Amino acid sequence: KAGVTQTPRYLIKTRGQQVTLSCSPISGHRSVSWYQQTPGQGLQFLFEYFSETQRNKGNFPGRFSGRQFSNSRSEMNVSTLELGDSALYLCASSAPGQGTYEQYFGPGTRLTVT
Amino acid sequence: AQSVTQLDSQVPVFEEAPVELRCNYSSSVSVYLFWYVQYPNQGLQLLLKYLSGSTLVKGINGFEAEFNKSQTSFHLRKPSVHISDTAEYFCAVSGMDSSYKLIFGSGTRLLVRP
Repeated sequence: KAGVTQTPRYLIKTRGQQVTLSCSPISGHRSVSWYQQTPGQGLQFLFEYFSETQRNKGNFPGRFSGRQFSNSRSEMNVSTLELGDSALYLCASSAPGQGTYEQYFGPGTRLTVT
Repeated sequence: AQSVTQLDSQVPVFEEAPVELRCNYSSSVSVYLFWYVQYPNQGLQLLLKYLSGSTLVKGINGFEAEFNKSQTSFHLRKPSVHISDTAEYFCAVSGMDSSYKLIFGSGTRLLVRP
């Protein structure tokens, strides 16, 4: 099976712009979670989607949003970018109901805000 | 709410020596426990997990971890490390009530020297 894919891998944006990141989960996985990784704050949970519904949400401002499509692919959007949004954004997919609770991570999208 | 503490930010060790990476957690609910590894410019890879049952868990690449409920710890061990084990290691927990929301520790960089 192909792994979790994330596009683009690298992105440079200017403060005030918005950005959309994409995540394609492993085939058959219906849960997609997003995490932000920064040197200062480490790995932080953003949100989780299952069957097109947000099930869990982390402590991030409303500028961070996401959605999931019927094919389980997910996008996250960050509006009005700030310098502090520079980070590695990781997507993870899992297959709820199988009792394993394993999450499979993609390689991430490195976002740089200038 | 859960929190994870990884006491050592960096652990240097010589090749073929044993290593232990420490992880302590705090939670008001029962948790699942995980160790992930991150190689440079890559996503996270699951090393092992504790869901229930035997407190000694074996994972990939010769790693193992022991769950100690009374000490709320989940330390990672390997009897003999290799140069290729050089990476960042993250301990994570998820509450059984929100199983796909991982709370990560700050990470431990394992540096294996020849």
